[in-house]
Amino acid sequence: GENVEQHPSTLSVQEGDSAVIKCTYSDSASNYFPWYKQELGKRPQLIIDIRSNVGEKKDQRIAVTLNKTAKHFSLHITETQPEDSAVYFCAATSPNTGNQFYFGTGTSLTVIP
Amino acid sequence: NAGVTQTPKFRVLKTGQSMTLLCAQDMNHEYMYWYRQDPGMGLRLIHYSVGEGTTAKGEVPDGYNVSRLKKQNFLLGLESAAPSQTSVYFCASSWYSSGYTFGSGTRLTVV
Repeated sequence: GENVEQHPSTLSVQEGDSAVIKCTYSDSASNYFPWYKQELGKRPQLIIDIRSNVGEKKDQRIAVTLNKTAKHFSLHITETQPEDSAVYFCAATSPNTGNQFYFGTGTSLTVIP
Repeated sequence: NAGVTQTPKFRVLKTGQSMTLLCAQDMNHEYMYWYRQDPGMGLRLIHYSVGEGTTAKGEVPDGYNVSRLKKQNFLLGLESAAPSQTSVYFCASSWYSSGYTFGSGTRLTVV
């Protein structure tokens, strides 16, 4: 099955700086890559996603890039704010898997005011 | 429009007791999932369903059973709880090849 690795496991940045979280996947058939943000004690919430026919997608301060050849995708957060502090999870899924998401182990992002 | 609702939110069980977690969604999603979340291990899939009357095993199915008798409900059962099943359980639902909507979670402690 699919194996998703996520790095780093923890990340601290100064407010206003950028943050980058990287994930790799193993199944070349994977075609959908969502990112989730989970605040302490809350449920994971979808913040952005990308499909395999697109190389980059942006939504205000967040963007995701996908490199199918290298089988990796990244989350970029610009102009970070304290409310961006949370755990971020990447995931991947491929056809014929019942839309199973294989999640990375998470990145705990701390934005220092 | 409630989205995905999980009950209960908290539960303490003694080893060997049984319980059922209920997940209900009102978005007419075909797919439903049960995950457990443990510190440092991310989200691991227990069981999932691709439609009413169907279930399938995920990554960590041992010790759990599920049923999906109605499209909007997905039940997770623990027949004989063990301390290793102490975790936060999340239900989720989705359309095919789209993002999940998660429930608010159930924090289960087995003593």
